[in-house]
Amino acid sequence: DAKTTQPNSMESNEEEPVHLPCNHSTISGTDYIHWYRQLPSQGPEYVIHGLTSNVNNRMASLAIAEDRKSSTLILHRATLRDAAVYYCILSWGSNTGKLIFGQGTTLQVKP
Amino acid sequence: DAGVTQSPTHLIKTRGQHVTLRCSPISGHKSVSWYQQVLGQGPQFIFQYYEKEERGRGNFPDRFSARQFPNYSSELNVNALLLGDSALYLCASPGQSLAEAFFGQGTRLTVV
Repeated sequence: DAKTTQPNSMESNEEEPVHLPCNHSTISGTDYIHWYRQLPSQGPEYVIHGLTSNVNNRMASLAIAEDRKSSTLILHRATLRDAAVYYCILSWGSNTGKLIFGQGTTLQVKP
Repeated sequence: DAGVTQSPTHLIKTRGQHVTLRCSPISGHKSVSWYQQVLGQGPQFIFQYYEKEERGRGNFPDRFSARQFPNYSSELNVNALLLGDSALYLCASPGQSLAEAFFGQGTRLTVV
């Protein structure tokens, strides 16, 4: 299983953009990049996923490097409710039946 | 449309006992996956079931087993509980696109 590397923690101010980086240098051509987040005392929550092109949805944007060896999750305006652990995950194909989580990045949002 | 539901929400067991955790996936969805999350770590994949057949297994001992029923609900069984089995056990079901997994709130198991 391909591995991802993320910073242990990051801080942001409320209403400012947040860029959460992820390195996945061993990614293969069929691996999708997924981002999930986990709020305290809850199960993980899907944020966004992509293969090669940048992706946008109502929660966030995903910027994927041209060589696909890294990606960045962008929260456009952080709120206090965005404080969570963010996980960058690779999956074989788009099937999410087996997700290999790393340690994730703990995001703190300051008012 | 109900999401993924798990029961019970909390459970306390004694070392050596057996435990059964239950999960109902999103209505009509045929795949269920189980994860173990120890405090301070990310979830670790245990099993995936699809159409009542095991489709994947993580690096867990044989004390861990699971099954899926005709209505696609699932049970995770753990025998001979150890203190180290204390964790949040999560169940997940893919959405319509298969690229988005929905997680339940989990079952918090404490082994004393």
